[in-house]
Amino acid sequence: AQTVTQSQPEMSVQEAETVTLSCTYDTSESNYYLFWYKQPPSRQMILVIRQEAYKQQNATENRFSVNFQKAAKSFSLKISDSQLGDTAMYFCAFIPDAGNMLTFGGGTRLMVKP
Amino acid sequence: NAGVMQNPRHLVRRRGQEARLRCSPMKGHSHVYWYRQLPEEGLKFMVYLQKENIIDESGMPKERFSAEFPKEGPSILRIQQVVRGDSAAYFCASSPMGAPNYGYTFGSGTRLTVV
Repeated sequence: AQTVTQSQPEMSVQEAETVTLSCTYDTSESNYYLFWYKQPPSRQMILVIRQEAYKQQNATENRFSVNFQKAAKSFSLKISDSQLGDTAMYFCAFIPDAGNMLTFGGGTRLMVKP
Repeated sequence: NAGVMQNPRHLVRRRGQEARLRCSPMKGHSHVYWYRQLPEEGLKFMVYLQKENIIDESGMPKERFSAEFPKEGPSILRIQQVVRGDSAAYFCASSPMGAPNYGYTFGSGTRLTVV
């Protein structure tokens, strides 16, 4: 069974600054996919970024980037130039290559302060 | 192209009543997944369905919960004889194929409150 752990229940950052959210996971699978989802107060689950485990290059989507350390089973999310609209819950998630089910971490509540 | 549509957005039921949650997948998606989110927690997998078939229901409680995805119409998650502990947000997601490596598309969820 896979587990996903987010060790930071809450974080805050000043607008325009950079923040990093941590995520670790445990699996015996060799190939898998990792995701970060954003859940704003509207409750919609929004896919922020996706990483394939067999790719060494870290994924980047505009102001969002990841630091994927496969050996350490770590998958952190860096948000640059934080904006007020980034205020949300952020969930890290894992799915094995042949799997059907996403396993989510417990989430990190991010507050961007003006 | 409308996204994943869930209704109702909010549902209030008294203990012992039945709750029916509906999910229409994105156009062209034939795979549907239901997740439950308890307050201040991450989403937990419940069930995975294709048209007319339940593929994986390992996350579904053994009693009172059932799901279907008929040939025509939306997927339905049914909770019979609801209890206070069923209060949660229920999310539906869809994908075009059975290995959603590109991540699901989620609906906005149904918040069930049992009073």
